[in-house]
Amino acid sequence: EVVLTQSPATLSLSPGDGATLSCRASQSVSRYLAWYQQKPGQAPRLLIYDASYRATGIPARFSGSGSGTDFTLTISSLEPEDFAVYYCQQRSNWPPITFGQGTRLEIK
Amino acid sequence: EVQLVESGGSLIQPGGSLRLSCAASGFTVSSNYMSWVRQAPGKGLEWVSVIYSGGSTYYADSVKGRFTISRDNSKNTLYLQMSSLRAEDTAVYYCARWDGYNTGFDYWGQGTLVTVSS
Repeated sequence: EVVLTQSPATLSLSPGDGATLSCRASQSVSRYLAWYQQKPGQAPRLLIYDASYRATGIPARFSGSGSGTDFTLTISSLEPEDFAVYYCQQRSNWPPITFGQGTRLEIK
Repeated sequence: EVQLVESGGSLIQPGGSLRLSCAASGFTVSSNYMSWVRQAPGKGLEWVSVIYSGGSTYYADSVKGRFTISRDNSKNTLYLQMSSLRAEDTAVYYCARWDGYNTGFDYWGQGTLVTVSS
């Protein structure tokens, strides 16, 4: 099973700041990695698929990069609505599909 | 417009059974890979099961032998039959669509809460 480790667990930033979230896989997942945003009481929303492609309707301030075992989600300038929990997910060596444990992005 | 609507969640005693439903609109369930993903209270996301467009099914080890994923093409609906329920199965259960090509679940339902407790 591929274990995805996200860091940091919590990131405290202010609106307008840039954010960098990390996801590390226990073995190579090529580029088969996605990122999601989840707000309280809501379902996850797909942000990035296949490591670097923005999903439909996702603002350009969200970008993804990486391949193999190291991936990054970057938010260029935080808007108030971006404060949420972010998860990465792989489907390279599956089943099982696995998720990271999440990074909470909170307002400083 | 693509929409997924789950139902069937409730309070159930340990050892009991429950069937969740996920009614889809705006696309054809049988043409996609459909999954169930759950989230225990205050915890992260856990993949539970998938059914391929061809009908093959796969399960997380934590539910294998207890849960069964299926679909009714005539109703365009996905199901999760859960049996021998345990306290650790308590979670919000989401159905989600995967097109089978790109990595990622592009559409999710709003979730249905299953609480296993005596």
